[in-house]
Amino acid sequence: DAKTTQPPSMDCAEGRAANLPCNHSTISGNEYVYWYRQIHSQGPQYIIHGLKNNETNEMASLIITEDRKSSTLILPHATLRDTAVYYCIVRVGGGGADGLTFGKGTHLIIQP
Amino acid sequence: DSGVTQTPKHLITATGQRVTLRCSPRSGDLSVYWYQQSLDQGLQFLIQYYNGEERAKGNILERFSAQQFPDLHSELNLSSLELGDSALYFCASSPRWSSENTIYFGEGSWLTVV
Repeated sequence: DAKTTQPPSMDCAEGRAANLPCNHSTISGNEYVYWYRQIHSQGPQYIIHGLKNNETNEMASLIITEDRKSSTLILPHATLRDTAVYYCIVRVGGGGADGLTFGKGTHLIIQP
Repeated sequence: DSGVTQTPKHLITATGQRVTLRCSPRSGDLSVYWYQQSLDQGLQFLIQYYNGEERAKGNILERFSAQQFPDLHSELNLSSLELGDSALYFCASSPRWSSENTIYFGEGSWLTVV
């Protein structure tokens, strides 16, 4: 699996957009970028994923650079409930284990 | 609610004992994954089953085993428990084994070994 690099922690003011970066410079052409978050020992929660195009859903937007070597997760209007550890994961497809390899993620703290 | 159900939610047991954790995947999902999360190790992939067959192994100890039954529910068996096995155990499921299929997690089973 391609390795990802995320900042260990970030702060964001409530109501502002939270932009979480992720580097995945060794990503392969058939690997997806997935984002999950974990709120205080709850089960990891799926947020969004993408291959090469930008994606948006009701929770967030995912911006993937044209060379696919990095991406940004955007929470448009952060609330206190968005405080969590956010994991950026590159997921290999087909063959072998196709599960998720979690790194240490980014601890996002939303400040009131 | 992800649709993945895990039981029990909490379990306290003594060293040397054996426990079984149960997982019901989302309706229609064929693939089941087990993960362990301890304070010092983060989220670690243990094992994956697909439609009843073991598909991939991660950092699963020999004292641990799992199976997936014909009705697709799965069980994780932990034996000869040690203090270090205290952790959150998550089950997750997805429709198939393609990276296009999202993996959804249950709320976990807290295991405390005393």
